[in-house]
Amino acid sequence: EDKVVQSPLSLVVHEGDTVTLNCSYEVTNFRSLLWYKQEKKAPTFLFMLTSSGIEKKSGRLSSILDKKELFSILNITATQTGDSAVYLCAVLLNAGGTSYGKLTFGQGTILTVHP
Amino acid sequence: NAGVMQNPRHLVRRRGQEARLRCSPMKGHSHVYWYRQLPEEGLKFMVYLQKENIIDESGMPKERFSAEFPKEGPSILRIQQVVRGDSAAYFCASSPQGLYEQYFGPGTRLTVT
Repeated sequence: EDKVVQSPLSLVVHEGDTVTLNCSYEVTNFRSLLWYKQEKKAPTFLFMLTSSGIEKKSGRLSSILDKKELFSILNITATQTGDSAVYLCAVLLNAGGTSYGKLTFGQGTILTVHP
Repeated sequence: NAGVMQNPRHLVRRRGQEARLRCSPMKGHSHVYWYRQLPEEGLKFMVYLQKENIIDESGMPKERFSAEFPKEGPSILRIQQVVRGDSAAYFCASSPQGLYEQYFGPGTRLTVT
């Protein structure tokens, strides 16, 4: 069975701290790994990682994928209270040959940033 | 460019009634996915559709649940004879092609009383 595991499940930090969120996976037909941020509404797309070792960066957020060890990390530097959310990791599986994929999600990491 | 639209945002149904959830994908997107998030659980894939076709419904319960994406209009997820266990958040996502990133709508929170 395809499995995506995130750690830690929850994390409480203070503004200005740096956090690292982890995502490991055991799946068949891996295509890509995606990170989303979920507040009290739609999961918001952050990154899609397909190649190993190439860091993707957006402002204070960055992420990298290791396809040999089957994991990814999401780093947030200089955290702000607005970063408080559930961070979801999802693996896009090749479900129809090369024609489509479907997402298998981890359980999420709840990040709380205190002022 | 409007994002993925879902309505209603909140839906309350009594046991045995029908629930109809609507999803309009982002402009230019022809691939629609439905996911369900049960309380205290992660998002789980239900069904994948393209216009007028169900491509993969492997995550959808075989009874009472159906989905469609007609040539004109939004995608519809239909749950007949709802039970309390159907209470969940139902999210729709769309992508421009099958193996691209998926963008999510705000979800419909279904409560069955």
